[in-house]
Amino acid sequence: NAGVTQTPKFRVLKTGQSMTLLCAQDMNHEYMYWYRQDPGMGLRLIHYSVGEGTTAKGEVPDGYNVSRLKKQNFLLGLESAAPSQTSVYFCASSFSTSQPQHFGDGTRLSIL
Amino acid sequence: DQQVKQNSPSLSVQEGRISILNCDYTNSMFDYFLWYKKYPAEGPTFLISISSIKDKNEDGRFTVFLNKSAKHLSLHIVPSQPGDSAVYFCAASARNYGQNFVFGPGTRLSVLP
Repeated sequence: NAGVTQTPKFRVLKTGQSMTLLCAQDMNHEYMYWYRQDPGMGLRLIHYSVGEGTTAKGEVPDGYNVSRLKKQNFLLGLESAAPSQTSVYFCASSFSTSQPQHFGDGTRLSIL
Repeated sequence: DQQVKQNSPSLSVQEGRISILNCDYTNSMFDYFLWYKKYPAEGPTFLISISSIKDKNEDGRFTVFLNKSAKHLSLHIVPSQPGDSAVYFCAASARNYGQNFVFGPGTRLSVLP
């Protein structure tokens, strides 16, 4: 019973490098989300998807791109990493925007 | 400007006593509220919810109270147990408008044996 799985769990990047964070859910949820958590800021929505092939911007989308080619996967990309993107990233999924979300265990990303 | 505020970054409570975690919001359109619990190195897990048509919802040791006029909600944990030590996030949405949830900054609860 995996739920929401995020890979990798940890990553250190140098400024300017690119990488992709992968999120997979096995609950057949339509909605998927990417958040970042920073000290004193709570969870801030980066991008979200309301179904396969769709994406939308959240509160803090700049510097990130996403893709949802398959219903079960939601990818978050950093094209040119910046130190300000050092954070813990959480993926979540839900049946709809009005339902509680199920979260993965997070990816801790450090940009040097 | 934060729409959802949790003004206490941390709270310590003795085991067996009541824990009260508070959350304030500014957007009067919010009509659905959740509490999440988060342990270190894990993702948040859903705890309890309340709709704006209610002023109280109870689930075992956890009760959430909503005061719409004050734009305030609180989570009561009775009795508190050491396993309740975690960070608690309040989240709110304008569900009738299809809006995504907005999260507060969290309160770290420590339940002392």
